[in-house]
Amino acid sequence: AQRVTQPEKLLSVFKGAPVELKCNYSYSGSPELFWYVQYSRQRLQLLLRHISRESIKGFTADLNKGETSFHLKKPFAQEEDSAMYYCALHSGSARQLTFGSGTQLTVLP
Amino acid sequence: EPEVTQTPSHQVTQMGQEVILRCVPISNHLYFYWYRQILGQKVEFLVSFYNNEISEKSEIFDDQFSVERPDGSNFTLKIRSTKLEDSAMYFCASVEGVGGWTEAFFGQGTRLTVV
Repeated sequence: AQRVTQPEKLLSVFKGAPVELKCNYSYSGSPELFWYVQYSRQRLQLLLRHISRESIKGFTADLNKGETSFHLKKPFAQEEDSAMYYCALHSGSARQLTFGSGTQLTVLP
Repeated sequence: EPEVTQTPSHQVTQMGQEVILRCVPISNHLYFYWYRQILGQKVEFLVSFYNNEISEKSEIFDDQFSVERPDGSNFTLKIRSTKLEDSAMYFCASVEGVGGWTEAFFGQGTRLTVV
């Protein structure tokens, strides 16, 4: 069975500081990993997917198959990054997303 | 930009009553989903729907739940006899799905409160 673990429920950093939101997964096949973000009172929206290997809003995430991790990083956090971040796994056979429990990021001024 | 739309935004119902949550997925999308999030917990998969039938469902999606796409645009989730523990945020999502599984677009959610 697939599982996604986000060990931190809450994370606070100061503006301009680096931020890393951790995500580990367990899945026996080749997963697709995603980060979704939910800003206050808004819907879940896709932030990144590992396949595209792009940087969105300064965030990057690298899939590390050896460590089964997909941590989300940003070198200089901004106040507008404050939101709930969910790591999610899509396995081809299941055709649905398995979410982690989420990390609430607060960027302090 | 096209969006997934859910109605109502908040529904309060008495225990034992039936509720129908409505979703309008993005028009050219092929895969439809319902997820729920109990307050303080993770987003959980309920059911996926493709080609006018359920393609997968979780253990949560028992006989009290059903889904329908009655008219080619709406996608509904019905709970026949609500329980207190059904209180949650329910999210609808759709995926274009042409050429493979791509990004899931989520609605803004319906908050269901069972009293």
